[in-house]
Amino acid sequence: NAGVTQTPKFQVLKTGQSMTLQCAQDMNHEYMSWYRQDPGMGLRLIHYSVGAGITDQGEVPNGYNVSRSTTEDFPLRLLSAAPSQTSVYFCASSYLFPHYEQYFGPGTRLTVT
Amino acid sequence: ELKVEQNPLFLSMQEGKNYTIYCNYSTTSDRLYWYRQDPGKSLESLFVLLSNGAVKQEGRLMASLDTKARLSTLHITAAVHDLSATYFCAADFGGGADGLTFGKGTHLIIQP
Repeated sequence: NAGVTQTPKFQVLKTGQSMTLQCAQDMNHEYMSWYRQDPGMGLRLIHYSVGAGITDQGEVPNGYNVSRSTTEDFPLRLLSAAPSQTSVYFCASSYLFPHYEQYFGPGTRLTVT
Repeated sequence: ELKVEQNPLFLSMQEGKNYTIYCNYSTTSDRLYWYRQDPGKSLESLFVLLSNGAVKQEGRLMASLDTKARLSTLHITAAVHDLSATYFCAADFGGGADGLTFGKGTHLIIQP
């Protein structure tokens, strides 16, 4: 199993550009989520999904869109990048039962200039 | 407000010493998680604590959960340099489907 994979590993964007961060998992997990990590802030939940076709907002959803067309993939879209979105982004997945231990991907380091 | 507070946020200690990291959370949580993160790396799951009184141990690390006090601890015994990392606790407030709420992390440096 590859586990949770994310691409790209690094990305530099200009303000106003759009892009998609890719996340895939091969563990047949129902639950997938996106977090952002900023220095001194821990991780904050952006969006999550409990299954294909179902998504919901987390703590910091503004400026991001998600979709879940398959169990395996959960892309995160930045519609119009802003410097405040400079961060490290982690995708995570888990089973819904028996508990929600989340497995994290390697992360994408995004810089918006 | 859903909050998870860790202390200390920064800890420098010597090899061979014992220490405890504390994690307080603001409201009832079904589960409490501990993760380790090395610089520039992802998060590695250390412990999942599922019920009041749960205690789990792995090597020099031991985690416990007191749901009545809304407190979890991560105890380090006879620290070694390889345990230097940032440790996060996270609580599951919404039955899991709402994601995890993380503390800000404890940056641990263990010096020879």
